[in-house]
Amino acid sequence: NAGVTQTPKFQVLKTGQSMTLQCAQDMNHEYMSWYRQDPGMGLRLIHYSVGAGITDQGEVPNGYNVSRSTTEDFPLRLLSAAPSQTSVYFCAVNRGQDTEAFFGQGTRLTVV
Amino acid sequence: AQSVTQLDSHVSVSEGTPVLLRCNYSSSYSPSLFWYVQHPNKGLQLLLKYTSAATLVKGINGFEAEFKKSETSFHLTKPSAHMSDAAEYFCVVSDFSGGYNKLIFGAGTRLAVHP
Repeated sequence: NAGVTQTPKFQVLKTGQSMTLQCAQDMNHEYMSWYRQDPGMGLRLIHYSVGAGITDQGEVPNGYNVSRSTTEDFPLRLLSAAPSQTSVYFCAVNRGQDTEAFFGQGTRLTVV
Repeated sequence: AQSVTQLDSHVSVSEGTPVLLRCNYSSSYSPSLFWYVQHPNKGLQLLLKYTSAATLVKGINGFEAEFKKSETSFHLTKPSAHMSDAAEYFCVVSDFSGGYNKLIFGAGTRLAVHP
């Protein structure tokens, strides 16, 4: 039982490249979300999903795309990487409203 | 809109002394509040949560927090710090607007524990 698994753990991209951050869960929870963590700013919500086929924007969605074709997976796509997207990205999963969120170990992304 | 302010970006204590990490929140309704801990290069772990039951909430590793509606505060305390408590701590409020349980994070408090 792995919980929430993020891959890769580290990534370096050149400006303009695209990539996909993977998030997989084996908890069978409906709610999944992506956050980015920047120094002194806590975590900010990028995109979220309340179930397969349903996604919506969070606080900082620009430059990112998501889709949710299965309950288990919620990939985050960077369309054209920019240095401002250098950050640590966390995927979170929770059962529903007002419930504890379980976080993956994070992906540290550097865009040069 | 909900918001969270963590009043100290850094707190330093000696091992065995009390810990106080301060958090104020802003909410238009009775909120759900959480404290998460992040150890270096790790993910986030839930310490405790308040969801309108008892105002004094006990969490893991000896931490507790008290919800004070009149002061809009949710401060985290521990009677005696341990070296392993050194980490970053986030106060979090739930925002239910838009039909989703968005988590609004404070900026974090880095706790250092000295021998």
